[in-house]
Amino acid sequence: KAGVTQTPRYLIKTRGQQVTLSCSPISGHRSVSWYQQTPGQGLQFLFEYFSETQRNKGNFPGRFSGRQFSNSRSEMNVSTLELGDSALYLCASSLSGGANTGELFFGEGSRLTVL
Amino acid sequence: GQQLNQSPQSMFIQEGEDVSMNCTSSSIFNTWLWYKQEPGEGPVLLIALYKAGELTSNGRLTAQFGITRKDSFLNISASIPSDVGIYFCAGLPPHGSSNTGKLIFGQGTTLQVKP
Repeated sequence: KAGVTQTPRYLIKTRGQQVTLSCSPISGHRSVSWYQQTPGQGLQFLFEYFSETQRNKGNFPGRFSGRQFSNSRSEMNVSTLELGDSALYLCASSLSGGANTGELFFGEGSRLTVL
Repeated sequence: GQQLNQSPQSMFIQEGEDVSMNCTSSSIFNTWLWYKQEPGEGPVLLIALYKAGELTSNGRLTAQFGITRKDSFLNISASIPSDVGIYFCAGLPPHGSSNTGKLIFGQGTTLQVKP
């Protein structure tokens, strides 16, 4: 059974640009959550999607957005990049609402560097 | 907002030693989980606890859900080199809280094992 797949694994952008990250959940998993991981702040919840609807949202500015497609694949977008957006962005999937059990399956992450 | 205080921040131990780490909060949680993250990977679920007072084992790992619902600990017995990684506690707030549905992570405990 294939795990959670995130693309790209690494990317470098400059301030002001925008970026789109992609996540393919485990087959059959309908919930996808996104987390930002930085050395200073740890793992911070961005948002969760279930059946193409955003079900929960963390405390991030509107520059951070996401969506989920009918096949449960998800994308997140960060516009007008800032240096502080440099981080590892982790996607996690779960069978139903992972938020209900906390049992998440994480991808390897997309490492974003903003110069 | 709700926060989890995880300690110790890092540990450097000899192979064969037992390890103990814990997580505390000023707020109650309905679920406690422990994840492990290895370099270049996303976190992997080790143990999930759903009931106050619950004690659960997974091989050499044992975790407990504190009776007050505000803390949890993880013990690793007879450590081996492959135990190296960052261990995160995570908590799921109860329904009705401001963070309902959002899995909150501790800052992590970095474990290094000397062969």
